[in-house]
Amino acid sequence: TQLLEQSPQFLSIQEGENLTVYCNSSSVFSSLQWYRQEPGEGPVLLVTVVTGGEVKKLKRLTFQFGDARKDSSLHITAAQPGDTGLYLCADSGNTGKLIFGQGTTLQVKP
Amino acid sequence: SQTIHQWPATLVQPVGSPLSLECTVEGTSNPNLYWYRQAAGRGLQLLFYSVGIGQISSEVPQNLSASRPQDRQFILSSKKLLLSDSGFYLCAWSLGTAGNTIYFGEGSWLTVV
Repeated sequence: TQLLEQSPQFLSIQEGENLTVYCNSSSVFSSLQWYRQEPGEGPVLLVTVVTGGEVKKLKRLTFQFGDARKDSSLHITAAQPGDTGLYLCADSGNTGKLIFGQGTTLQVKP
Repeated sequence: SQTIHQWPATLVQPVGSPLSLECTVEGTSNPNLYWYRQAAGRGLQLLFYSVGIGQISSEVPQNLSASRPQDRQFILSSKKLLLSDSGFYLCAWSLGTAGNTIYFGEGSWLTVV
């Protein structure tokens, strides 16, 4: 059974700071997805990465996929209070069943 | 456009009572359907997965069951709730298999007392 580990579990920073959160898999990712979830709502897809070494940018968010396709990082530049939420990585596997990590809770203080 | 709805949004149920959460998808055909459960502030645990009417895959042994009576309807049930069934339940849908986006419903908060 594939296990996804995310770190840190909780992160509290001041507005304007930079941060990086990580996702590591016990096996090679089929298709890595990053989601953000706000309290009381369902997760919303941020990005999908498939190719080892791939880097994708979404405004102030930079997603990196490891060459071996077993790890990924999400870097946020100049964090804002609106970035607060639970960040989840997930793998769809070969069957499309999405398996999630435990998430990183980010709190950005104004 | 496609939409997904689940209800009720919030419910408080006594231990031993039955449960029924319903989810419907509009604007698409033959979606893959999912039920996830989430503990507060943590990741999502896949409970059930369905690729078609009457086809249900149970991912973890538990006190819950799922049914898919129609193509775009997915129901989560229990005959007798346990305290440990409390949590945030999310229905989701996708098309195809690996790599396709999964879209989530609004979620249902269940508190078993």
